[in-house]
Amino acid sequence: DQQVKQNSPSLSVQEGRISILNCDYTNSMFDYFLWYKKYPAEGPTFLISISSIKDKNEDGRFTVFLNKSAKHLSLHIVPSQPGDSAVYFCAGMYNTGNQFYFGTGTSLTVIP
Amino acid sequence: DVKVTQSSRYLVKRTGEKVFLECVQDMDHENMFWYRQDPGLGLRLIYFSYDVKMKEKGDIPEGYSVSREKKERFSLILESASTNQTSMYLCASSLAGTLLRETQYFGPGTRLLVL
Repeated sequence: DQQVKQNSPSLSVQEGRISILNCDYTNSMFDYFLWYKKYPAEGPTFLISISSIKDKNEDGRFTVFLNKSAKHLSLHIVPSQPGDSAVYFCAGMYNTGNQFYFGTGTSLTVIP
Repeated sequence: DVKVTQSSRYLVKRTGEKVFLECVQDMDHENMFWYRQDPGLGLRLIYFSYDVKMKEKGDIPEGYSVSREKKERFSLILESASTNQTSMYLCASSLAGTLLRETQYFGPGTRLLVL
């Protein structure tokens, strides 16, 4: 059973606009979340993380928001750039767990 | 800079063959992981290891085994390859940390086709 879901398999955004990638989780014990970015023919690379004691974490153009009551997190990219075109995976971990649970991924295309 | 390398980028094997996928990391990381990536299913954990000769099952260990004889090397073994094991296999490593929360660094992946 998929504990982390990314319901949008793909997203297209104009360069310079905001990209919003969404992620839902079912396990209320999750307390740590990450976003990874994956280019074709490469392994995923870590992008940004957030602990459940926060509701927002920002790193440059990337901001992750966490809504624990809704079991929802989102990644905002502002402004979007063509180099951001990639597949984005969110992942969650629960406080006594020992592995990340990854979502199915969202393919972002930023149109120049 | 962390480097995780995988022995092959592409592999074609026949049903029933024994398949070895090798992963090496050069950053003295304690933890190593094997995932497979399939369309619509994301990354699913097969096995992980937090120390030499230690292994733990992930979500989908059936049909796979692993070996960690040296800290830097983590091997995934398909004892008898089947067509449903056609997939992209990704290896990752991370430092030991509280509850394995350290960032995982991934290799480039091995695309395996089982005919």
